[in-house]
Amino acid sequence: AQSVTQLDSQVPVFEEAPVELRCNYSSSVSVYLFWYVQYPNQGLQLLLKYLSGSTLVESINGFEAEFNKSQTSFHLRKPSVHISDTAEYFCAVSGDSNYQLIWGAGTKLIIKP
Amino acid sequence: NAGVTQTPKFQVLKTGQSMTLQCAQDMNHEYMSWYRQDPGMGLRLIHYSVGAGITDQGEVPNGYNVSRSTTEDFPLRLLSAAPSQTSVYFCASSPNLQGHEQYFGPGTRLTVT
Repeated sequence: AQSVTQLDSQVPVFEEAPVELRCNYSSSVSVYLFWYVQYPNQGLQLLLKYLSGSTLVESINGFEAEFNKSQTSFHLRKPSVHISDTAEYFCAVSGDSNYQLIWGAGTKLIIKP
Repeated sequence: NAGVTQTPKFQVLKTGQSMTLQCAQDMNHEYMSWYRQDPGMGLRLIHYSVGAGITDQGEVPNGYNVSRSTTEDFPLRLLSAAPSQTSVYFCASSPNLQGHEQYFGPGTRLTVT
């Protein structure tokens, strides 16, 4: 069965510093990979996705993630964070043959002023 | 477009009571799903549907029923509430039948005493 591991439950970082949120998945088949963001007291929103093609995908608000098949990773990065990036970030994976997303436990990004 | 709507936003139940969480979407998505979110556990899929009249179980279906009589609506019924069902419940829909790129509602916070 597929699984998704988000290695850090919380990541504190100073404002304007870079950040990396780590995500690893276990699968031997083609996968589709997603990052979702949940702002306080809200539902989840799709941040970015990898379906095929370029292994580097970007969001409109400066986040990027790189699909690394050999390391089965899909880490999320941002070169300079803002206080508005305070949220919980979820990594998810979907395979070809099922109708379910498999979710990581989430990483809370805490921005220190 | 209202997107995905959920009612109520908050609910307190006594053990043994039943209730229905409502979910509706106006995007004509065939795929809809129900999740529960508990601290440190990410999202867990309860039930999902790939079209009117078609439902299937997810990871944690026990104690919950669903029905899908129309494309728009996907209610979740708690049969006999238990304290273990205290959680935040999210409904989501997707334009993709495999559940990629899900759009989430704002959530229902349920407390069972």
